[in-house]
Amino acid sequence: ETGVTQTPRHLVMGMTNKKSLKCEQHLGHNAMYWYKQSAKKPLELMFVYNFKEQTENNSVPSRFSPECPNSSHLFLHLHTLQPEDSALYLCASSRIGQRAYSYEQYFGPGTRLTVT
Amino acid sequence: RKEVEQDPGPFNVPEGATVAFNCTYSNSASQSFFWYRQDCRKEPKLLMSVYSSGNEDGRFTAQLNRASQYISLLIRDSKLSDSATYLCVVNTNAGKSTFGDGTTLTVKP
Repeated sequence: ETGVTQTPRHLVMGMTNKKSLKCEQHLGHNAMYWYKQSAKKPLELMFVYNFKEQTENNSVPSRFSPECPNSSHLFLHLHTLQPEDSALYLCASSRIGQRAYSYEQYFGPGTRLTVT
Repeated sequence: RKEVEQDPGPFNVPEGATVAFNCTYSNSASQSFFWYRQDCRKEPKLLMSVYSSGNEDGRFTAQLNRASQYISLLIRDSKLSDSATYLCVVNTNAGKSTFGDGTTLTVKP
């Protein structure tokens, strides 16, 4: 596998379910990101992990819980979601270089989530 | 004011036209700059990085003006396949990326 992979690609869940989204990067990057994109809306940054440490949490509700066990894997744990959480969830990775220089991000194909 | 602002669009142009997108950013500490392309219901894909010296990749030319905090993308000889949403991205340090809202381009026969 190359690049950034995400599983599952599609997910339908009820409001009382608990599920997890998985992201894996094979690029040797040291930063990973979760984004949400609702229909015909801009990307919304949710979380940033830099060297496995969470460095950004953009006021995301606690029903979304990220986990980054190592620099290649990122999870988004979901519980008691609302219908308005239905969206495309995108994972990305990038390299953070010397003096915290941020290189370009590479995105996975996304998980299309529907909350019923 | 948004940190990264793009032309709202949409842009509807005929095949073969030249089209230019503009983007401004507010953080003078911004370090790196990119243009991405996003097709409908797909993930954004890197189109090109943007440098102060300007860079060109085939029909695409990107320019950065740090003094004016302005980025541009020029597409020459538009193709039907160029139809997409174009995203301006500005990075500060340590992974802080700000995406513009995107400009939608439709190239018509």
